Amino acid sequence: DADVTQTPRNRITKTGKRIMLECSQTKGHDRMYWYRQDPGLGLRLIYYSFDVKDINKGEISDGYSVSRQAQAKFSLSLESAIPNQTALYFCATSDASGRDISTDTQYFGPGTRLTVL
Amino acid sequence: LAKTTQPISMDSYEGQEVNITCSHNNIATNDYITWYQQFPSQGPRFIIQGYKTKVTNEVASLFIPADRKSSTLSLPRVSLSDTAVYYCLVGDMRRRNFNKFYFGSGTKLNVKP
Repeated sequence: DADVTQTPRNRITKTGKRIMLECSQTKGHDRMYWYRQDPGLGLRLIYYSFDVKDINKGEISDGYSVSRQAQAKFSLSLESAIPNQTALYFCATSDASGRDISTDTQYFGPGTRLTVL
Repeated sequence: LAKTTQPISMDSYEGQEVNITCSHNNIATNDYITWYQQFPSQGPRFIIQGYKTKVTNEVASLFIPADRKSSTLSLPRVSLSDTAVYYCLVGDMRRRNFNKFYFGSGTKLNVKP
């Protein structure tokens, strides 16, 4: 979905390096999410943010941190990358305003493929 | 949140109807059932969502029995372009219930010519 962009699209780094993955959206959505995807494991939620001041840990937040710089931007950081953080990372957004938020659906970015050597 | 169980993979041929069933025995009263489609190297894309009985849109139908412990995604007359992974999610997106959100492993559908 072109309304949700992720940078970089591919990154190779070394163990111990600090890495930041960025997500931007033009959909005007309040909610943003970070997932990682490993082969055979589907997507797992790392962090989610319901608005700029509301950030929450997901299922697998250890080793990651996030920053919600503005409504449109949500960054994921790996403070000290390790090889088992090699994965495909997706950002997503959703809009719970003005509707029954129990039915909220998510819009995903194209993903960032991260390799930690 | 309710976890889901889906078949790991399914094969079909072009023109056939495909039904993918998802089990969610611990579904809660306020949970909705949502299906996403994912092509290789792309993010998942919303297909359909429902709460009970049957929902149909231009892409698929979703059948949910009265006990809501399972659901079936039905894709009519599939084509090669429907080859993808299909995820079933069960949950309530409201703030106080959004502790975890499980996509699961999904079902890899392989459509053959």
